[in-house]
Amino acid sequence: AQSVTQPDIHITVSEGASLELRCNYSYGATPYLFWYVQSPGQGLQLLLKYFSGDTLVQGIKGFEAEFKRSQSSFNLRKPSVHWSDAAEYFCAVERNTDKLIFGTGTRLQVFP
Amino acid sequence: GAVVSQHPSWVICKSGTSVKIECRSLDFQATTMFWYRQFPKQSLMLMATSNEGSKATYEQGVEKDKFLINHASLTLSTLTVTSAHPEDSSFYICSARRLRLGETQYFGPGTRLLVL
Repeated sequence: AQSVTQPDIHITVSEGASLELRCNYSYGATPYLFWYVQSPGQGLQLLLKYFSGDTLVQGIKGFEAEFKRSQSSFNLRKPSVHWSDAAEYFCAVERNTDKLIFGTGTRLQVFP
Repeated sequence: GAVVSQHPSWVICKSGTSVKIECRSLDFQATTMFWYRQFPKQSLMLMATSNEGSKATYEQGVEKDKFLINHASLTLSTLTVTSAHPEDSSFYICSARRLRLGETQYFGPGTRLLVL
């Protein structure tokens, strides 16, 4: 069965430090891949997406993600974290049935 | 562009009553809308997919008679929680998309339901 794994439930970083959130997927073919961010009590905002082409994808708010087929991974990165980046981050894949499957999320905490 | 709204943003109701939640795409026509449920500190679970003018497709384990979904127009979908019970308390989020494939889902801000 298709699945999305986010190994890190909770990550804490200092403001200004670099960030990498991990995401691994299990799927027979290359799916569409997404990263969303959710602030407390809010809906989801799309950070970036990968459909095909260049495996390094640039998103909003200074985020980027790299698709690595050999590792079935789509890790999210940011070179310098801001306090406002504290939120819940969800990786998701979309199958050809149009449905998004979400990972369990990673909660990011940022210390000043 | 691609803004999705939900109304109400939060609702408190008594057990046994029905609650309707609206999801609107404000600046685009959504051929498909999705309804998700999210428990505290958990991920989003897809409840159902609705296409304009047709019956919703429910995920396994979701009671279609409990969660009534109507997608009457290209900009509006409603979720009605019938005979709500405390275990239905949750955060309900909708999303909307223009095309079937290759198009991003745009999410609403969510509706928090508390059943007393």
